[in-house]
Amino acid sequence: AQRVTQPEKLLSVFKGAPVELKCNYSYSGSPELFWYVQYSRQRLQLLLRHISRESIKGFTADLNKGETSFHLKKPFAQEEDSAMYYCALTDSGGYQKVTFGTGTKLQVIP
Amino acid sequence: GAGVSQSPSNKVTEKGKDVELRCDPISGHTALYWYRQSLGQGLEFLIYFQGNSAPDKSGLPSDRFSAERTGGSVSTLTIQRTQQEDSAVYLCASSFHNEQFFGPGTRLTVL
Repeated sequence: AQRVTQPEKLLSVFKGAPVELKCNYSYSGSPELFWYVQYSRQRLQLLLRHISRESIKGFTADLNKGETSFHLKKPFAQEEDSAMYYCALTDSGGYQKVTFGTGTKLQVIP
Repeated sequence: GAGVSQSPSNKVTEKGKDVELRCDPISGHTALYWYRQSLGQGLEFLIYFQGNSAPDKSGLPSDRFSAERTGGSVSTLTIQRTQQEDSAVYLCASSFHNEQFFGPGTRLTVL
């Protein structure tokens, strides 16, 4: 079975402070990890995926297979980063169900 | 091109009535998911389709909930004898190369 854990329901940080949204997973196969974001009154959308190794809107996430983690980081939070963030997992081989974590609401305080 | 669409965008119904929610995925996407998002809560997985078959229905909360997908395209989620606790936003997503594309959701209110 695959499981994604996001331990924080709410994370409040001040503008300009570093951000780390935690994600841990449990999966015996070859995982593919994602972060999705939902801004207020917008659709849920992909932020980044580990295979692309990109930095999107200043966010990065590194897959750590030893610690089974995929934490989302940004060095300096901006007010526009306030949103709901979901970590998700599937099998890298495709044709497998995607499992989402319960989400973390990021609140950036001006 | 067009993204995932859902209809209706809003649905208000009376307790005990049946409702049908529709999802039009992106053309060519073989996987389709239904989720529920209650106020202040995260995503709750309901059901997953691969083509027309549903390998995983484990998230359907009760036998009042059912879903089907025809022609590998449009999907409908049916809730029979709606209850107030069914009030939520119902999201649909279709998937390509493991990336999920979400629709705008249907906000269901059961009075």
